[in-house]
Amino acid sequence: QKEVEQDPGPLSVPEGAIVSLNCTYSNSAFQYFMWYRQYSRKGPELLMYTYSSGNKEDGRFTAQVDKSSKYISLFIRDSQPSDSATYLCAPKEAGTASKLTFGTGTRLQVTL
Amino acid sequence: NAGVTQTPKFRVLKTGQSMTLLCAQDMNHEYMYWYRQDPGMGLRLIHYSVGEGTTAKGEVPDGYNVSRLKKQNFLLGLESAAPSQTSVYFCASSWGGETQYFGPGTRLLVL
Repeated sequence: QKEVEQDPGPLSVPEGAIVSLNCTYSNSAFQYFMWYRQYSRKGPELLMYTYSSGNKEDGRFTAQVDKSSKYISLFIRDSQPSDSATYLCAPKEAGTASKLTFGTGTRLQVTL
Repeated sequence: NAGVTQTPKFRVLKTGQSMTLLCAQDMNHEYMYWYRQDPGMGLRLIHYSVGEGTTAKGEVPDGYNVSRLKKQNFLLGLESAAPSQTSVYFCASSWGGETQYFGPGTRLLVL
């Protein structure tokens, strides 16, 4: 079993829809939860991150972590064609020496 | 401020050939990383460095070597390329491990 599981998609939604992207993980020591966005043939870029459980909102994006069920979510409101990309979750343990563990990514396509 | 740059962008090698991938960052970051990305496998850490002159193995280090002689540069070497090393290689850097900044990637095809 992989430490981080993510549905690869593709997920196709119409413009304006609310999108829910999810990851599950098995390592109880994960404390930081990152979401990266990767456009086709580009490097990943950090979208947002949360520490421990709870919600964090940034514009149209909301990250949610439920440590009790080891479940990570990213919600996108009013989705736009420019949101079409692959979204990777990447949790990590506390401590600067610890490393990110990436999910395989979910490919999202927002259609007009 | 260029961020993280990678050289070359694309390369074709024959089995057994060697090459070096160069990563450079201008953000004065201590930490640097090399990943490979393959379909269905996600990003996997090859090697990383926590400072000039230091290197450490990641998840998939076999067949690769690295060097960090200068703080701003992190080199990834393939001594004898194999078809299994066909992949997209990403370099990243960070201050202390949380927010990693990625380069644009190097596409490598080994025939």
